[in-house]
Amino acid sequence: NAGVTQTPKFQVLKTGQSMTLQCAQDMNHEYMSWYRQDPGMGLRLIHYSVGAGITDQGEVPNGYNVSRSTTEDFPLRLLSAAPSQTSVYFCAAGRARSYEQYFGPGTRLTVT
Amino acid sequence: KQEVTQIPAALSVPEGENLVLNCSFTDSAIYNLQWFRQDPGKGLTSLLLIQSSQREQTSGRLNASLDKSSGRSTLYIAASQPGDSATYLCAVGEGGSEKLVFGKGTKLTVNP
Repeated sequence: NAGVTQTPKFQVLKTGQSMTLQCAQDMNHEYMSWYRQDPGMGLRLIHYSVGAGITDQGEVPNGYNVSRSTTEDFPLRLLSAAPSQTSVYFCAAGRARSYEQYFGPGTRLTVT
Repeated sequence: KQEVTQIPAALSVPEGENLVLNCSFTDSAIYNLQWFRQDPGKGLTSLLLIQSSQREQTSGRLNASLDKSSGRSTLYIAASQPGDSATYLCAVGEGGSEKLVFGKGTKLTVNP
């Protein structure tokens, strides 16, 4: 099992560009989530999903969209990138919110 | 608002020493607490998960305890090794929310 995979590993965008960060899991877990990690801020929840077709906002959702058409995939879309979105993005998956969460290797995004 | 604090922010010890990392949280209404390890430039690796009804969990040289009433958890590492050098993150699963709230971590260096 690969667990949770994320692509790309690194990305540089210009302000205003859009892109999609990919996240996939092969554990058949219902719960998936996206976090961003910033120096001095810790990890903060962006969006989460409790199953295919169901998504909801976390603590810092502005500027990001998600969808969950399958159990395996949970892409994160940046609609119009801003320098404030420079961060490391982590995707996580778990059987449900009360169970152990498994994190992907992260995507390091720089917006210039 | 739940706040998670980890003390100390950094710790340097000689190899072989037993050590304790501390995590405190402000709201005792949690459903679990999870300890993670993060190596530089890498993702988060789950170490131990303690459900709110449990007092401790053990895995190899690691032991994590939870005292909900006092809002504290400790991660005990026995006979530390240079390979234990990493940042250790504590995260609480909030009751009534889908959010994992993270501390800012303790950076551990074990010197040979």
